[in-house]
Amino acid sequence: DTGVSQDPRHKITKRGQNVTFRCDPISEHNRLYWYRQTLGQGPEFLTYFQNEAQLEKSRLLSDRFSAERPKGSFSTLEIQRTEQGDSAMYLCASRETGSAAGKLFFGSGTQLSVL
Amino acid sequence: DQQVKQNSPSLSVQEGRISILNCDYTNSMFDYFLWYKKYPAEGPTFLISISSIKDKNEDGRFTVFLNKSAKHLSLHIVPSQPGDSAVYFCAASAYGGATNKLIFGTGTLLAVQP
Repeated sequence: DTGVSQDPRHKITKRGQNVTFRCDPISEHNRLYWYRQTLGQGPEFLTYFQNEAQLEKSRLLSDRFSAERPKGSFSTLEIQRTEQGDSAMYLCASRETGSAAGKLFFGSGTQLSVL
Repeated sequence: DQQVKQNSPSLSVQEGRISILNCDYTNSMFDYFLWYKKYPAEGPTFLISISSIKDKNEDGRFTVFLNKSAKHLSLHIVPSQPGDSAVYFCAASAYGGATNKLIFGTGTLLAVQP
């Protein structure tokens, strides 16, 4: 068990560019979450997958954001036409299969800086 | 609408003393509460949790207390150690919801002075 893995750890991009982040959850976890954290704030929920199905999206997730989990394993989060306000740490988390309530295991995050 | 609130942005304590971090919530549907610890440039790591059917849960130096009538929980760290210096987030979820997502507070930066 290597934990939740996120790639890249850091991403610097220019405004208007597209970026894509990858998350590999703990292998036996079928529930996957994306969160965003900005300075001085707690993690804010973005979206949730159960297996390959995206079951909830936050209002924070504008049309420029899209997330996928095509085979129910790894997930990608894409931001199109990035804006400076997208600068944040993007966190992925997973929860073990069958756990109705319980802790989330977080990855180390991807720190995005939009110049 | 901040459903989980941590009103103290920072706390400083001496090594060996007790650290008390507080958290308030507004949503009465929340029934599971967690504390996470976060170091800079890392993701949050789980520390301790409590279900709404309990009012106390202990794990080593860490104890979480829940007061449902006041919609308040607290994390006690005794004795505090310099390695405990980090940002602590309180989080809550509502059992039975479709996603069981966690709602986080804004965090409290704990500094333990040697």
